[in-house]
Amino acid sequence: GESVGLHLPTLSVQEGDNSIINCAYSNSASDYFIWYKQESGKGPQFIIDIRSNMDKRQGQRVTVLLNKTVKHLSLQIAATQPGDSAVYFCAEPYNQGGKLIFGQGTELSVKP
Amino acid sequence: EPEVTQTPSHQVTQMGQEVILRCVPISNHLYFYWYRQILGQKVEFLVSFYNNEISEKSEIFDDQFSVERPDGSNFTLKIRSTKLEDSAMYFCASSEGLRGGQPQHFGDGTRLSIL
Repeated sequence: GESVGLHLPTLSVQEGDNSIINCAYSNSASDYFIWYKQESGKGPQFIIDIRSNMDKRQGQRVTVLLNKTVKHLSLQIAATQPGDSAVYFCAEPYNQGGKLIFGQGTELSVKP
Repeated sequence: EPEVTQTPSHQVTQMGQEVILRCVPISNHLYFYWYRQILGQKVEFLVSFYNNEISEKSEIFDDQFSVERPDGSNFTLKIRSTKLEDSAMYFCASSEGLRGGQPQHFGDGTRLSIL
């Protein structure tokens, strides 16, 4: 069935440390994954995406790693800042129609 | 940077009343979506729309819901007779296409409160 899950509901890190947020998916045919950040009172904000023909993709202070063997992806945030505090969702298109399936989300808290 | 805009930011409506939520997608995008998020829960797909028709809808999107693109810029979600359980954040999203590398971009939502 459709399922995109996250390993931890909350993550607390010290400012300046690196953060790793994990996500598991169940559909081995999935070929595209997206990470969104949702701040309180706002909509999901696109961070970074990755296609299944890649293992790693880097953005500004963020890196997404994809392990298709174990159906796992992670979002790494370097030098975490207070402004990174938010809920992070992984999402994947369920089918060719564009419907996105979201995971439950991980709430990242950054301690000063 | 272009963005999806939604109005109103908060809508309070009596149960049984009709409500229309409005969205202006990113101008060169062709695919439009509505999602909802009940407080503390994950984002759930409602409907996708392309070429002036519904591409896909979820079980939540029953006969009380409808979508429309009345002109070249707006995309609306109508709930005909609201129920208490319709209270949620409603997000509009748009994308250029459906391929990898064409992510959906979301607005900041309308908080719908049904009394």
